[in-house]
Amino acid sequence: EDQVTQSPEALRLQEGESSSLNCSYTVSGLRGLFWYRQDPGKGPEFLFTLYSAGEEKEKERLKATLTKKESFLHITAPKPEDSATYLCAVQARGAGNMLTFGGGTRLMVKP
Amino acid sequence: DGGITQSPKYLFRKEGQNVTLSCEQNLNHDAMYWYRQDPGQGLRLIYYSQIVNDFQKGDIAEGYSVSREKKESFPLTVTSAQKNPTAFYLCASSIAAWGSGNTEAFFGQGTRLTVV
Repeated sequence: EDQVTQSPEALRLQEGESSSLNCSYTVSGLRGLFWYRQDPGKGPEFLFTLYSAGEEKEKERLKATLTKKESFLHITAPKPEDSATYLCAVQARGAGNMLTFGGGTRLMVKP
Repeated sequence: DGGITQSPKYLFRKEGQNVTLSCEQNLNHDAMYWYRQDPGQGLRLIYYSQIVNDFQKGDIAEGYSVSREKKESFPLTVTSAQKNPTAFYLCASSIAAWGSGNTEAFFGQGTRLTVV
């Protein structure tokens, strides 16, 4: 059974204080790992897809990395507008495009 | 604008009633999905459809039903058999269920269902 565990559950940062969110996964053949951002009361917004270990992707202050067991979402010099819940999901080979999600990390950035 | 439209945004249901949540997409995506999200939790798959007139149960399908008569539409019915229907429901779509590349799913803005 595919499993995704995100840590920490909640993270409070001061504006400008860089940190990382972790996504550990167990999957029977990884097809892709996805990061989404979700604002309260809204649908998840797609951020990144990572397909193979060693791959990295960047978007503004966010950088996602992937190993064979986990993914990190690095946030450099965060701003209050980065406050949101960040969701990680995996897609297994042979399972169509279905996603298995982790519980999310709620990030709060204080000015 | 291309996207996924869910309606209504808020829905109230009396116990014992069936309700239907609408999901429409104009992205020309083959695959569509319904997820449920409970407070402070991740998303769980209810049903998915890889092609018109075909759909499969996800992890928590009991008490729900779907149809896929048109490529653009994938409505979800929450039946009276669903014991705890109060939740945030999210519809998503992706280009294709199989194949490589561009496999990310895009989400609608959700419907919040409350049983009163």
